[in-house]
Amino acid sequence: DAGVIQSPRHEVTEMGQEVTLRCKPISGHNSLFWYRQTMMRGLELLIYFNNNVPIDDSGMPEDRFSAKMPNASFSTLKIQPSEPRDSAVYFCASSFSPGELFFGEGSRLTVL
Amino acid sequence: QKEVEQNSGPLSVPEGAIASLNCTYSDRGSQSFFWYRQYSGKSPELIMFIYSNGDKEDGRFTAQLNKASQYVSLLIRDSQPSDSATYLCAVDTGRRALTFGSGTRLQVQP
Repeated sequence: DAGVIQSPRHEVTEMGQEVTLRCKPISGHNSLFWYRQTMMRGLELLIYFNNNVPIDDSGMPEDRFSAKMPNASFSTLKIQPSEPRDSAVYFCASSFSPGELFFGEGSRLTVL
Repeated sequence: QKEVEQNSGPLSVPEGAIASLNCTYSDRGSQSFFWYRQYSGKSPELIMFIYSNGDKEDGRFTAQLNKASQYVSLLIRDSQPSDSATYLCAVDTGRRALTFGSGTRLQVQP
């Protein structure tokens, strides 16, 4: 299996621009997670889906962030408008068994 | 109080020694506990999980859980330089997805 695939790997953008991060989970996994990692705050859960349905989005910072999972093989995390404080590594992970997460390589976002 | 607390380190041990990594959690209802390893610039990867009080061994790794003390630890025997990484403790309370600690950076000196 190819593992969890994320794109882009790196994104540099200017404040105010829209950012879209993409994720393809491992086939057969029924849960998908978006985490954000920074030096200051560590690894924070943003949102997770179970069977394509958002279960917990309490970690989404504010209305500028939105996430979708239109089908079992694709999810997006969108930030609009982006701000410098959104700079972080965004990880997508998928799982079949609770707690056993397989992470993608991450998308490193820099907002200038 | 953070939900999952770890000493950030770095924890430095000589090659061949036992590395002991510790984690405490605040939610008494937490049901399962996980250790992830993250090499610099890479993504976290699961190395062990434990559900019941006591010890669980897997090769050079031993996870220990004490629910009464709300304490989880990871022991790495015969530490190798390749074990140098950040170790993340994660807790599943059963109510939402995993909550991660901030991680302990381990340095194994050759």
